[in-house]
Amino acid sequence: SAVISQKPSRDICQRGTSLTIQCQVDSQVTMMFWYRQQPGQSLTLIATANQGSEATYESGFVIDKFPISRPNLTFSTLTVSNMSPEDSSIYLCSAGYQETQYFGPGTRLLVL
Amino acid sequence: EDQVTQSPEALRLQEGESSSLNCSYTVSGLRGLFWYRQDPGKGPEFLFTLYSAGEEKEKERLKATLTKKESFLHITAPKPEDSATYLCAVQGAAGNKLTFGGGTRVLVKP
Repeated sequence: SAVISQKPSRDICQRGTSLTIQCQVDSQVTMMFWYRQQPGQSLTLIATANQGSEATYESGFVIDKFPISRPNLTFSTLTVSNMSPEDSSIYLCSAGYQETQYFGPGTRLLVL
Repeated sequence: EDQVTQSPEALRLQEGESSSLNCSYTVSGLRGLFWYRQDPGKGPEFLFTLYSAGEEKEKERLKATLTKKESFLHITAPKPEDSATYLCAVQGAAGNKLTFGGGTRVLVKP
């Protein structure tokens, strides 16, 4: 399996600011993904982080709000920009490894 | 568009009381159906992948089965440590994304 770590594990931010979340995988992986899990709800895919090219965003998510970087095969970042209280959520990184997606522990974000 | 519906939303069991969770899905070209376990405050933990109708997989007290329209997660003689939210997801032919259901929250009382 792949082991995934995320930083920070949690944060409290003021509205209008931005937060960058880091995701590190212990193996080289082709596919990395970013999901959002709103309180009491299931997971929704934000985007696929492509190495060497722009991320592929799902309907309802835009690059200006959620810019993503993928500089190599083990690392990705997600930035939540110009935050509002509606962005309070858990943000999860996942990696595709041997036909399975493994998830990180999540970043718990509270926007005041 | 791929869709996944899980039932029930919540399940309260006595220790040792076996039960089943349901995952109904519609997908264009199923590449895989995934079961995960999620504990409060943690990321989803991978349990099983099923690829074709008739396939079954087991892990300790858990057994997952798959038909062309749904999957079941059977919990046999559950223990309190089996309390968690169980998530079902499908991966269709269109790409690598997973589409998740709403999950089933399981509480096993001693």
